[in-house]
Parts: sequence; structure tokens; C-alpha cells
Amino acid sequence: GQNIDQPTEMTATEGAIVQINCTYQTSGFNGLFWYQQHAGEAPTFLSYNVLDGLEEKGRFSSFLSRSKGYSYLLLKELQMKDSASYLCAVTLNTGTASKLTFGTGTRLQVTL
Amino acid sequence: GAGVSQSPSNKVTEKGKDVELRCDPISGHTALYWYRQSLGQGLEFLIYFQGNSAPDKSGLPSDRFSAERTGGSVSTLTIQRTQQEDSAVYLCASSNSGSSYEQYFGPGTRLTVT
Repeated sequence: GQNIDQPTEMTATEGAIVQINCTYQTSGFNGLFWYQQHAGEAPTFLSYNVLDGLEEKGRFSSFLSRSKGYSYLLLKELQMKDSASYLCAVTLNTGTASKLTFGTGTRLQVTL
Repeated sequence: GAGVSQSPSNKVTEKGKDVELRCDPISGHTALYWYRQSLGQGLEFLIYFQGNSAPDKSGLPSDRFSAERTGGSVSTLTIQRTQQEDSAVYLCASSNSGSSYEQYFGPGTRLTVT
């Protein structure tokens, strides 16, 4: 089966940097997405990695190592509005290639 | 432009009743997905529609669940004889075709089975 692991909760201070890790064990890995979900709202897209390396987008960066089955989301200059759940999701090259298989998400609390 | 919309936003039903949940995808998106998010659980894939192809129903948890997509646009998820374990937020998403395209999620329908 597929296994995607993320820490359940993290806390960080406003202005700081936080790294949210995601490890996966899947058959037929294709790519990895990160989504942000504020409480009671729909998930919104943050990043997509298919090749090894770092993708930077403003305050957010995402890293992927296919050989290690590992990704992280890096959030810089944290703001209070970054308090949300961060969802790691993979796509596979078996079956429907575009369906997302999600981890349980990491709830990030940003404090003053 | 308009995003993905879902209705109703909240639904409370009695155990054993049937419910229908509706999703209006973003215009022009050929791919449509249904996911379920239970308390403390990650999003769980239910079903996928792509154009006129046969849907991928591999995520449906039981034969009480079914979905259709009419005219390549609006989709309806039907749950028959609801059970308490069906209580969850049901999310619909749409995208362009292909595994590298981001999925745009609707606000979800919160289903409570009493």
C-alpha cells in the first residue's frame, strides 16, 4: 500500500523559519504536491515537485529527493496567517496518474 | 472567474436516508475528483472523472456510494442508506487533464449523519 508520513503538529514563532517534512513509501511515484488548508476552508495549491531539488516560490520553498522518498516544505518569515494545515500529497504512475494520495497533514501554529 | 462550487455547504441527515451532494467544477476543466476528509484523517480519494472516459471508482468505500457527471460538467455524489461513519467533509476538485496540474478544491459539503 501507500504510506505518507508527516508530523501531526508544529509550532513556530512569527518571523521565524519552519521546515515541514514528508516521507513517503509508495509504488510507482510520479510527483509530490503541497497544499495549504486553513481551518474550515478548501485546500489551496502551494507547490509541485517532480524532479529532485528545490523549488522556490516567494516565502515558500519545497524540496524533493526521489531516492530517499522525502520532501520538505520550508516557510520563511512566518506570519500569523500561515497558521494552517499543510498537506503533502503524491501522485502515482499506476492507475489514475493524477489522483492525489494525501498524508494526514501537519497543523502549524504560528505564535507571537 | 468562478471557482469550484459545492452544495449544500452543510447537510444533516438521519441514518438510513439517501443524500446527494453537488459539485460545479471550473469551466473548461476536464478532470473532476471527489475526496472525503474525516476528522483526524487525511483526504481520501473517492472517484475521478476525465472527459468521456469511464470513471475511476477505485476509492469508493462501498456500493452505497455512487457518482455521476452529466455533460462533462456538473457532478453528483450519492450516498444511499447513510451510516454514521459516512459523516465527513466531502470535497470536490477539478483540474486540467494531466498529473502535473494543480487541483482546485471546492469549499466542501459537511455531512453529519445522526
